[in-house]
Amino acid sequence: DQQVKQNSPSLSVQEGRISILNCDYTNSMFDYFLWYKKYPAEGPTFLISISSIKDKNEDGRFTVFLNKSAKHLSLHIVPSQPGDSAVYFCAASWGTSGSRLTFGEGTQLTVNP
Amino acid sequence: EAQVTQNPRYLITVTGKKLTVTCSQNMNHEYMSWYRQDPGLGLRQIYYSMNVEVTDKGDVPEGYKVSRKEKRNFPLILESPSPNQTSLYFCASSTNTEAFFGQGTRLTVV
Repeated sequence: DQQVKQNSPSLSVQEGRISILNCDYTNSMFDYFLWYKKYPAEGPTFLISISSIKDKNEDGRFTVFLNKSAKHLSLHIVPSQPGDSAVYFCAASWGTSGSRLTFGEGTQLTVNP
Repeated sequence: EAQVTQNPRYLITVTGKKLTVTCSQNMNHEYMSWYRQDPGLGLRQIYYSMNVEVTDKGDVPEGYKVSRKEKRNFPLILESPSPNQTSLYFCASSTNTEAFFGQGTRLTVV
């Protein structure tokens, strides 16, 4: 039972354009959502997060949108850069957020120069 | 430098031979976890610990053991490894809002 789903295994965009990565969840108890980025041979690194009391959080080129009624969140990267090429994982949790993360399958983003 | 250190980075072993993957963090976090990453499945939590001597099962605990005798260390123990435990393993150390991951241990059980 996959409670967090990333339906697109891969996404390819041109440098300078917008990248939109999507994530859906089924557990209505989730109240905190995170995005992680992972390069080959490295551990995942935290990118941005959002609490369920918000519908948008922005950090530089990265913005996360949360639609609670649809149980959907998305990560927007504008403008996309070749260095953004990585696997992006969506994660969700409730209560004590950091210790119990449920991850999606990941989306491989490729930004072409 | 704040970090989570796992050892070894790569390990090839045979079925049934006990092994331990070590994990250490220098951030004084109370929470630590182990995850495995498999193609098409993302990261799945194996075990987590909320403090010294407090551990609990994650989503895929079968075949694994952990211990938390001191705050900074959280080893993962495979008493009798099997080929289906071939995977990429990550240790994480967490605050309430963020998990910091080690670089991973690629385990192959033949």
